[in-house]
Amino acid sequence: DSGVTQTPKHLITATGQRVTLRCSPRSGDLSVYWYQQSLDQGLQFLIQYYNGEERAKGNILERFSAQQFPDLHSELNLSSLELGDSALYFCASSVGGGLSYEQYFGPGTRLTVT
Amino acid sequence: AQSVAQPEDQVNVAEGNPLTVKCTYSVSGNPYLFWYVQYPNRGLQFLLKYITGDNLVKGSYGFEAEFNKSQTSFHLKKPSALVSDSALYFCAVHSGSARQLTFGSGTQLTVLP
Repeated sequence: DSGVTQTPKHLITATGQRVTLRCSPRSGDLSVYWYQQSLDQGLQFLIQYYNGEERAKGNILERFSAQQFPDLHSELNLSSLELGDSALYFCASSVGGGLSYEQYFGPGTRLTVT
Repeated sequence: AQSVAQPEDQVNVAEGNPLTVKCTYSVSGNPYLFWYVQYPNRGLQFLLKYITGDNLVKGSYGFEAEFNKSQTSFHLKKPSALVSDSALYFCAVHSGSARQLTFGSGTQLTVLP
């Protein structure tokens, strides 16, 4: 158990809908990262927050947004969902904001868009 | 730009034999290299990293990796494979100035009893 929690574990929704994925980092970790894992794209970095501030942005679509709250949990919002958004979404956390710190991954949320 | 390649999608090895999972990288500047492992229906777990120093890095569960600057490689090794090592292995890299980790496509390791 990494200490990173993600809810829900599974999510099935229809095209055009909006969903929110939630992540609680390990105790003491200030950074939260979001990744998307799919068979065709592999593991893609979406966005990183450090202590409430956006720190880095990757291949995140404009339909997606995220935030980190004062208690350091984070939410990833996916809107106007398309079939291609079906994937595993991972949250990871690290103690610092730099990339040299190892990241601890949650169990993931499997999103299925029908 | 930074990139990482895992040239083998699948590696099979017999239990008790040594295993190697290959990784090559491309970065501007000094590389920071990582190995992660993913078991079925689980998130990735950190195995080891190279930041600086000794080219041979030791990590969790008896794994080690050798940084080779001239060959731009960071292969993962273990002297004696266990069936429980069967999993998906990811190599990742960033340069000091990068804002994100870049992961390889993953190598499925199967250890046969």
